[in-house]
Amino acid sequence: TQLLEQSPQFLSIQEGENLTVYCNSSSVFSSLQWYRQEPGEGPVLLVTVVTGGEVKKLKRLTFQFGDARKDSSLHITAAQPGDTGLYLCGTSYGKLTFGQGTILTVHP
Amino acid sequence: GAGVSQSPSNKVTEKGKDVELRCDPISGHTALYWYRQSLGQGLEFLIYFQGNSAPDKSGLPSDRFSAERTGGSVSTLTIQRTQQEDSAVYLCASSLGSWVEQYFGPGTRLTVT
Repeated sequence: TQLLEQSPQFLSIQEGENLTVYCNSSSVFSSLQWYRQEPGEGPVLLVTVVTGGEVKKLKRLTFQFGDARKDSSLHITAAQPGDTGLYLCGTSYGKLTFGQGTILTVHP
Repeated sequence: GAGVSQSPSNKVTEKGKDVELRCDPISGHTALYWYRQSLGQGLEFLIYFQGNSAPDKSGLPSDRFSAERTGGSVSTLTIQRTQQEDSAVYLCASSLGSWVEQYFGPGTRLTVT
């Protein structure tokens, strides 16, 4: 059983579309992190959310931490081909544990 | 400043051979982590170092896997008698403290033929 469940697993969209990626769990977390990984590279930290209900924006990316701190979402507005990659959520639940990831492909 | 570096970037080895993978963390980072990522999969935790000691080795998949860290800096992950199922990307990360925001290296792609 995965501590963190991400959905969807795959997402293929056209440039300019909006999308949302979800990270869910039955456990409560003190914080949650989102990473993006491009092919041939290691994951790069995008944001850490720590407060229930918190919303953070990073240009076209909006991250939300659920009120109960059990889930999080990543919303991308007007996706661009440069957004293509593997998006991972992770949390320090004793050790840093990751979801299985969402592979996003944005077609020009 | 310099990020986490890993070497080699690619390694092809024959089944049964031993391999060593190296990680150079960011200078000053006391915590170091090894993960394994299979194609299209998330990250699988292998081992964590705080300084030179490894308080958590729970992710090592078998006794063929071992890791050490010397001088609180460079770490080496060794896989003995490699098997085809060991083929994966091995990622190293470091952080200023334990389990806080981690910075990843580019990984070593290991292929066992």
